[in-house]
Amino acid sequence: DVKVTQSSRYLVKRTGEKVFLECVQDMDHENMFWYRQDPGLGLRLIYFSYDVKMKEKGDIPEGYSVSREKKERFSLILESASTNQTSMYLCASWGQSFYGYTFGSGTRLTVV
Amino acid sequence: QQQVKQSPQSLIVQKGGISIINCAYENTAFDYFPWYQQFPGKGPALLIAIRPDVSEKKEGRFTISFNKSAKQFSLHIMDSQPGDSATYFCAASIGGSQGNLIFGKGTKLSVKP
Repeated sequence: DVKVTQSSRYLVKRTGEKVFLECVQDMDHENMFWYRQDPGLGLRLIYFSYDVKMKEKGDIPEGYSVSREKKERFSLILESASTNQTSMYLCASWGQSFYGYTFGSGTRLTVV
Repeated sequence: QQQVKQSPQSLIVQKGGISIINCAYENTAFDYFPWYQQFPGKGPALLIAIRPDVSEKKEGRFTISFNKSAKQFSLHIMDSQPGDSATYFCAASIGGSQGNLIFGKGTKLSVKP
């Protein structure tokens, strides 16, 4: 089975801190995604990447950046965390198949 | 035009009943329509998917009905069980399963014993 692993299940950070969320997939997938999930708002795409060192903005990129130095790893960076970035963050990957996205279990980030 | 509108936001069904979740879209270029199921504390997982060249796809108790002319598709869960309690997301993409998914806002389903 494809595995997408997010390094932390829960994180608490202070306002203004630089925050790194890490995601690793083990199936050599080209495409990786970062979403945030908030009640009533569903899944909103922050950034995605089609290949190493490539990145594309999603629907809500403001306040975030990403890094993909290796194919299996996609990092989400909050340059200066703010309380409105308190959310569940989900990483996903997919390859060339009908089997859709594979999501990680998520990181619940609280910014205080 | 890129949106996928999902309803209802929440749904309570008795055990053994039928759960129905609806989604509507505007962009006729969408050509892949998956449903994802998310249990608490987990990421969403692909449940079932359909392409617009068929009107229905069934996998066990889960059925997608697709109405191309109305630009609507729905998930039916027959004989709903408490273990089906989860959040369900519909989605759509252009370019088949290789396109970026546009997700609906989700439906929280509770199946009462």
